[in-house]
Amino acid sequence: AQSVTQLDSHVSVSEGTPVLLRCNYSSSYSPSLFWYVQHPNKGLQLLLKYTSAATLVKGINGFEAEFKKSETSFHLTKPSAHMSDAAEYFCVVRGTGRRALTFGSGTRLQVQP
Amino acid sequence: NAGVTQTPKFQVLKTGQSMTLQCAQDMNHEYMSWYRQDPGMGLRLIHYSVGAGITDQGEVPNGYNVSRSTTEDFPLRLLSAAPSQTSVYFCASSPNREGVEKLFFGSGTQLSVL
Repeated sequence: AQSVTQLDSHVSVSEGTPVLLRCNYSSSYSPSLFWYVQHPNKGLQLLLKYTSAATLVKGINGFEAEFKKSETSFHLTKPSAHMSDAAEYFCVVRGTGRRALTFGSGTRLQVQP
Repeated sequence: NAGVTQTPKFQVLKTGQSMTLQCAQDMNHEYMSWYRQDPGMGLRLIHYSVGAGITDQGEVPNGYNVSRSTTEDFPLRLLSAAPSQTSVYFCASSPNREGVEKLFFGSGTQLSVL
């Protein structure tokens, strides 16, 4: 079975500094991986996806993630944090049946002024 | 564009009561699903459907029923509510029946079972 582990439950950065949210995955085959974002009291929104094309994936709002098979990682980064980036971020893997997504436990990003 | 609409937004139940959470989408998506969100556990899939008349269980189906009589609607029924079902529930749909990638989420239903 596929699974994802988000290594940090909370990350706090200052506005204008880089963001790194860490995710490791476990899969017996080449997985499809995603990052979703949830702003307070809202539903989730797809940020970016990796589906076996380029290993460096660019998403919305300046975020990007790199798929590293050797490290089984799919970390999310952004060069410069903005106050509006404060939200909860979920690393997600698609199941073998391709009909279900498995969510990590989430990382809450706090951006300090 | 309404997207995915969930009702109600908030609900308080007593143990043993039954209720139905409503979900409707106006995007003609074949795939619809229900998740529950609990602190520190991310989202867990309860049930999903790949089209009218077709439903399947997810990771945590016990205590919940679903049906899909139309493409637009996918209600979630709690048969006999328990305190363990206190959670935030999200309905989500996808244009991809196979190879689900982009889910469109409703705004959630916050359910408390006393």
